[in-house]
Amino acid sequence: QSALTQPASVSGSPGQSITISCTGTGSDVGRYNLVSWYQQHPGKAPKLIIYGDTKRPSGVSDRFSGSKSGSTASLTISGLRAEDEAYYYCCSYAPSGTPFGGGTKVTVL
Amino acid sequence: QVQLVESGGALVKPGGSLRLSCAASGFTFSDYYMTWVRQAPGRGLEWISYISNTGGTIFYADSVKGRFTISRDNAKHSLYLQMNSLTAEDTAVYYCARDFYGGSSFDYWGQGTLVTVSS
Repeated sequence: QSALTQPASVSGSPGQSITISCTGTGSDVGRYNLVSWYQQHPGKAPKLIIYGDTKRPSGVSDRFSGSKSGSTASLTISGLRAEDEAYYYCCSYAPSGTPFGGGTKVTVL
Repeated sequence: QVQLVESGGALVKPGGSLRLSCAASGFTFSDYYMTWVRQAPGRGLEWISYISNTGGTIFYADSVKGRFTISRDNAKHSLYLQMNSLTAEDTAVYYCARDFYGGSSFDYWGQGTLVTVSS
């Protein structure tokens, strides 16, 4: 049950696009189309923003998009806004558990 | 509307035990897998356990295996986490969450309950 690997921090200016990577293995990210992404503001519960690698739940802005290549999934935030400043976590199904990534702090400059 | 409300968090001494509860409402509880996720102070999210809708399938993270027990009572729309042999490393906010798609898609979360393990 190894944690997934994410960059510690990513930053961008308002209006720009940023991408957060999430690297797993052929036993989790690379094997199942079940990567999800969560946004967490300080002191709040996480919020699901992407599931099934690329699907957006109802009500989530289309500025958030998910993709995957091999064992690396990515979250792209387009048209960056001040309210996007938060921590972002990836997560993947695996038969013996559901590892999360270590989290990425997104800073809007 | 869907609501998940955790309770049972407390200050407990190392080696002690605690039972967390998660009361669910606003959806058919017996249709969904449920999970527990925790977050130590200043740290990231850590998945710790999930249970199938019938309770017949259960998995634990290695960090809690043998010490924690997940269970559910569908008649009471409730999820539980029995935690034994607690250590300082178990200090965290514990969230229950609903899994709606495939084992890693948690669409509703509770507000969390704080467990502090300290002498």
